[in-house]
Amino acid sequence: ILNVEQSPQSLHVQEGDSTNFTCSFPSSNFYALHWYRWETAKSPEALFVMTLNGDEKKKGRISATLNTKEGYSYLYIKGSQPEDSATYLCASRGGNNNDMRFGAGTRLTVKP
Amino acid sequence: DVKVTQSSRYLVKRTGEKVFLECVQDMDHENMFWYRQDPGLGLRLIYFSYDVKMKEKGDIPEGYSVSREKKERFSLILESASTNQTSMYLCASSLFGRAEAFFGQGTRLTVV
Repeated sequence: ILNVEQSPQSLHVQEGDSTNFTCSFPSSNFYALHWYRWETAKSPEALFVMTLNGDEKKKGRISATLNTKEGYSYLYIKGSQPEDSATYLCASRGGNNNDMRFGAGTRLTVKP
Repeated sequence: DVKVTQSSRYLVKRTGEKVFLECVQDMDHENMFWYRQDPGLGLRLIYFSYDVKMKEKGDIPEGYSVSREKKERFSLILESASTNQTSMYLCASSLFGRAEAFFGQGTRLTVV
């Protein structure tokens, strides 16, 4: 069983603050690390797919880094906006048949 | 656009009933997954499938079975529903490999 851990469990920030979350995953048998954004009453949607050690990805104000040797990834949000409020999930893909296991998520609330 | 469709948005069943949750995807994806989501626990993998008729247990398979007779359809079966199976169930699909997953809209199941 792959154990994917995320921290913190929840975060409340003010509009304009920058913030970051952590995802840790087993580095053995690693295939890919995904970040998803899950808004209330919607389905999770992929933000990033990361595969190589040292990968850095960016989409607007959101970016992510990957360290496969030590088994962690960071997600950064610069200048948080109320519309960034959501649960952010990371998932590790691996195993012989390409399973996908998630962490418990970080619930971000951005106050205006 | 990839579409993953779950047969019901809300479902209420009685204890002991056999329950079928259906998931259909239209993008010829090899991988399909069933998760349940409970507060504070994130998405927990119940079963996944990597090809037609091929399945693998996830982290919490007890009380569930699955069926994948056609590539586009992956069914989750609750053999004898119990109240502790009251939860949100999410289906997802992806290409085999590192690719991101696409999610259905979720089925909120209540067992009374």
